[in-house]
Amino acid sequence: AQTVTQSQPEMSVQEAETVTLSCTYDTSENNYYLFWYKQPPSRQMILVIRQEAYKQQNATENRFSVNFQKAAKSFSLKISDSQLGDTAMYFCAFLSGGYQKVTFGIGTKLQVIP
Amino acid sequence: GAVVSQHPSRVICKSGTSVKIECRSLDFQATTMFWYRQFPKQSLMLMATSNEGSKATYEQGVEKDKFLINHASLTLSTLTVTSAHPEDSSFYICSASREPRAGNTIYFGEGSWLTVV
Repeated sequence: AQTVTQSQPEMSVQEAETVTLSCTYDTSENNYYLFWYKQPPSRQMILVIRQEAYKQQNATENRFSVNFQKAAKSFSLKISDSQLGDTAMYFCAFLSGGYQKVTFGIGTKLQVIP
Repeated sequence: GAVVSQHPSRVICKSGTSVKIECRSLDFQATTMFWYRQFPKQSLMLMATSNEGSKATYEQGVEKDKFLINHASLTLSTLTVTSAHPEDSSFYICSASREPRAGNTIYFGEGSWLTVV
């Protein structure tokens, strides 16, 4: 079974600064997908970024980028120029290539401080 | 715009009654949908996998007779909480993927707050 570990229960960052959220996972598969989801107080799950394991290039989406280290099974999220609207819970998630069952980490609560 | 819609967003029901929550894929067919439950300050817990035209697959520890799942069409899955009790109060959220067995984005519904009084 796959596991996803987020070791930072809470983090804070000053507005306009950069913050990195960590995520590690464990799997014996070679084909899979990784995601970061944002969950604001509204509880809506919002996709932040996704990474296919077969792609070596790190995914980027505007201010969000990942550092995907496949051998180390690490998938960290970097948020640049943090904004107040980035305040939310962030969940790292794993999806096996052959299935649609998603495994979530326990989440990291990010607070952006004005 | 939303591609997976969930309804109702909030529902209050009396203890002992049943309540149904709907999950719809708006512009694609979803042969498989997923139902999660989220307790306060916790991650999403997968309850069951909803399969179109067949029985749902429940995760260990989830009572299938209490949480009835029906996936009658390629765009609709329903979760019925039967004989609800206050401990069933929680946030329920569904998800679906555009392509079966593909790594396309998993879309989530807006979630449903259930309060049992």
